[in-house]
Amino acid sequence: RKEVEQDPGPFNVPEGATVAFNCTYSNSASQSFFWYRQDCRKEPKLLMSVYSSGNEDGRFTAQLNRASQYISLLIRDSKLSDSATYLCVVNNGLTGGGNKLTFGTGTQLKVEL
Amino acid sequence: ETGVTQTPRHLVMGMTNKKSLKCEQHLGHNAMYWYKQSAKKPLELMFVYNFKEQTENNSVPSRFSPECPNSSHLFLHLHTLQPEDSALYLCASSHFLGDEPYEQYFGPGTRLTVT
Repeated sequence: RKEVEQDPGPFNVPEGATVAFNCTYSNSASQSFFWYRQDCRKEPKLLMSVYSSGNEDGRFTAQLNRASQYISLLIRDSKLSDSATYLCVVNNGLTGGGNKLTFGTGTQLKVEL
Repeated sequence: ETGVTQTPRHLVMGMTNKKSLKCEQHLGHNAMYWYKQSAKKPLELMFVYNFKEQTENNSVPSRFSPECPNSSHLFLHLHTLQPEDSALYLCASSHFLGDEPYEQYFGPGTRLTVT
């Protein structure tokens, strides 16, 4: 089983649609969780952290279910500029210091007119 | 300059060459990371430095040699690479204090082609 698993997509949605991505992780001791966004041939950029109580940032809502070991990202009112690859990221920590982030392969989103 | 910078942005090298990648962070972070991103694969963590000390070497071949002279600068020295080492090499930095996890911020990457 992969440490972090995502549906690669692509998800093709019309502008204004609501789209949801799920991600599962294998390490029950994982400490923290993030969604990153990566545009084509660019570096990943932090989209939002994911908290146990769920959190929202504008049109984006992230949820964490520790019991089932999955994370979700909901995007409402999709914009053309939301087209990108969305990376699910799990932090397992390092005993010596630093954060060991494990990345999923990403889910590709294409928002169309 | 702000954020995380990397040079060069593109590099083509032969298998017998020696080159170095440079990363600099201007965010006051104390942990720095090297990642490799190959086509159709997830980002792979290569090395972690915390307060200039290497805390993780993720089974990386010795033809990749990291160096961290201070908490703002990170290098990746390359020698006798193979064509399969062609990839995007990303540097990242973060805070790290005790057990608290912090978000990582990435540089733009160096796109490396080994011929």
